[in-house]
Amino acid sequence: QKEVEQDPGPLSVPEGAIVSLNCTYSNSAFQYFMWYRQYSRKGPELLMYTYSSGNKEDGRFTAQVDKSSKYISLFIRDSQPSDSATYLCAIANQAGTALIFGKGTTLSVSS
Amino acid sequence: DTGVSQNPRHKITKRGQNVTFRCDPISEHNRLYWYRQTLGQGPEFLTYFQNEAQLEKSRLLSDRFSAERPKGSFSTLEIQRTEQGDSAMYLCASSPGGSDVEQFFGPGTRLTVL
Repeated sequence: QKEVEQDPGPLSVPEGAIVSLNCTYSNSAFQYFMWYRQYSRKGPELLMYTYSSGNKEDGRFTAQVDKSSKYISLFIRDSQPSDSATYLCAIANQAGTALIFGKGTTLSVSS
Repeated sequence: DTGVSQNPRHKITKRGQNVTFRCDPISEHNRLYWYRQTLGQGPEFLTYFQNEAQLEKSRLLSDRFSAERPKGSFSTLEIQRTEQGDSAMYLCASSPGGSDVEQFFGPGTRLTVL
């Protein structure tokens, strides 16, 4: 079993839709959870960072961590065409160590 | 622009040649990371520096790969005797250090080995 599993999609939604992106992970030692957005041929851009369980909201983005089920989610409200990108979940077991990434989910938002 | 910078942005080389990439992290970031990303995959960790000390290396970092951060500022990643399987995007990231876990990525260097 891979340490982080993420459905690669692609996921296509109309503008204004609510988008749900998800990852599962295998090791309960992981404490740090991040979501990155990556546009084609660019480096990943940090969107959200969560420590341990709970929710975190930033504008149209909400990150959610459920440690009991080893499940992390990113919700995008009122999706825009500019949100079209690949979304990568990343986890770490302690500060400063290497991030372990999922494969990324490709999202397309049509106007 | 005070983000992570990487040079060159693109490199095309022939199999068997050596290549070197440079990464300039965000100013005063103590930690610097190298990752490799192939098409359709997430970034995979290669190596990590705390200041000038290389603290961790992945199994992916074969003997043909070497990384340095001589003065604790910029870093170089060299690949000797390149192979077609080395074709990938090489990403550099930096982090402030301490309890900060967020890593900030550069634009990457895309390597094509012919």
